[in-house]
Amino acid sequence: DAKTTQPPSMDCAEGRAANLPCNHSTISGNEYVYWYRQIHSQGPQYIIHGLKNNETNEMASLIITEDRKSSTLILPHATLRDTAVYYCIVRIKAAGNKLTFGGGTRVLVKP
Amino acid sequence: DGGITQSPKYLFRKEGQNVTLSCEQNLNHDAMYWYRQDPGQGLRLIYYSQIVNDFQKGDIAEGYSVSREKKESFPLTVTSAQKNPTAFYLCASSIVQGETQYFGPGTRLLVL
Repeated sequence: DAKTTQPPSMDCAEGRAANLPCNHSTISGNEYVYWYRQIHSQGPQYIIHGLKNNETNEMASLIITEDRKSSTLILPHATLRDTAVYYCIVRIKAAGNKLTFGGGTRVLVKP
Repeated sequence: DGGITQSPKYLFRKEGQNVTLSCEQNLNHDAMYWYRQDPGQGLRLIYYSQIVNDFQKGDIAEGYSVSREKKESFPLTVTSAQKNPTAFYLCASSIVQGETQYFGPGTRLLVL
């Protein structure tokens, strides 16, 4: 699985959009971009994933650049409950028996 | 509600004792996984099961055992052979192997 690079931390104002970047310059054509988050002392929560096209669900939007070397997770209206560590993961869907979490981005939503 | 449940939330183990962590899912998923997470660390795969009555070792299987007698259940036993069992244990499932994994709330195991 390709390696990902994320900023270690970022702050966000409550009610504002949070834009979380992820670099995955060595991504291969059949690798998907997944985002999970982990609130302190809880299990990881799946957020969204995509291959090439931008994706949106009830939690977030995922913007993938045309060359697929980077992506951005957008939380449209951050709340205090969005404070968590966010993980960007790149993996092959078919062969992936495990998830490899890197350092992630620690997001602190402030009132 | 569909989901994954793990029990107990906290578990204490005495030296030399085996303990079993429960994982149940009602999502009708074929594949299930056990991960271990140490403080400030990522996830490490212990065991996974693609289908009932089948399971494979992950990266750190030594000192652990599993069974998969029912589709909805994948219990993990931490044996006395696991010398450093204190960790946060996470169970996950996916509809089939390779697809999106969904996690339970976790069990925190502490050694007395």
